[in-house]
Amino acid sequence: DAMVIQNPRYQVTQFGKPVTLSCSQTLNHNVMYWYQQKSSQAPKLLFHYYDKDFNNEADTPDNFQSRRPNTSFCFLDIRSPGLGDAAMYLCATSRGPSAGGGNEQFFGPGTRLTVL
Amino acid sequence: DQQVKQNSPSLSVQEGRISILNCDYTNSMFDYFLWYKKYPAEGPTFLISISSIKDKNEDGRFTVFLNKSAKHLSLHIVPSQPGDSAVYFCAASALGTASKLTFGTGTRLQVTL
Repeated sequence: DAMVIQNPRYQVTQFGKPVTLSCSQTLNHNVMYWYQQKSSQAPKLLFHYYDKDFNNEADTPDNFQSRRPNTSFCFLDIRSPGLGDAAMYLCATSRGPSAGGGNEQFFGPGTRLTVL
Repeated sequence: DQQVKQNSPSLSVQEGRISILNCDYTNSMFDYFLWYKKYPAEGPTFLISISSIKDKNEDGRFTVFLNKSAKHLSLHIVPSQPGDSAVYFCAASALGTASKLTFGTGTRLQVTL
């Protein structure tokens, strides 16, 4: 089945210790997104890749970086996690507007990050 | 500045009755609206969508209504089933934004027996 996979599902890190979250997709979608979601809040878009083009949201902290080495994989790097970065991190994909159709995004199960 | 608002954090409905979840938006540039369903420990799952050129879209038990003049949309679930118990997110996007979505804060639906 085509899907969006996130690893690990649960990640514990120490304050200030770099951490990398992974996302892969078998949908062959052009666009990949990273969201941060805190309890009882709306998912907040951090950045997205349209093919190889990186697009950062204006209010995404510099502490958050991303890499997309190929169509299938996208990584979220948190360089120096703070206590406020503890959250669920969701990866999503979409075909993109050039492929026609709607703007549906397909989400992975998320990685819950704990910062000690 | 919350551009997509879901003012009811929770809703409880009896099995078999209608569930109505509401969503308001402020950005006039939004032209495509979606509903996602989220179970605990899972990512959001796409449920149904509607383009701004329509005022209604139906898919089985799920119907989304859009009132552009009021900047309001609603999701109707008829009949409600216990498996519908989840958090429902409303989301919106604008043409030419690479399918970027702006989400509401969600409404937790509980369908009781």
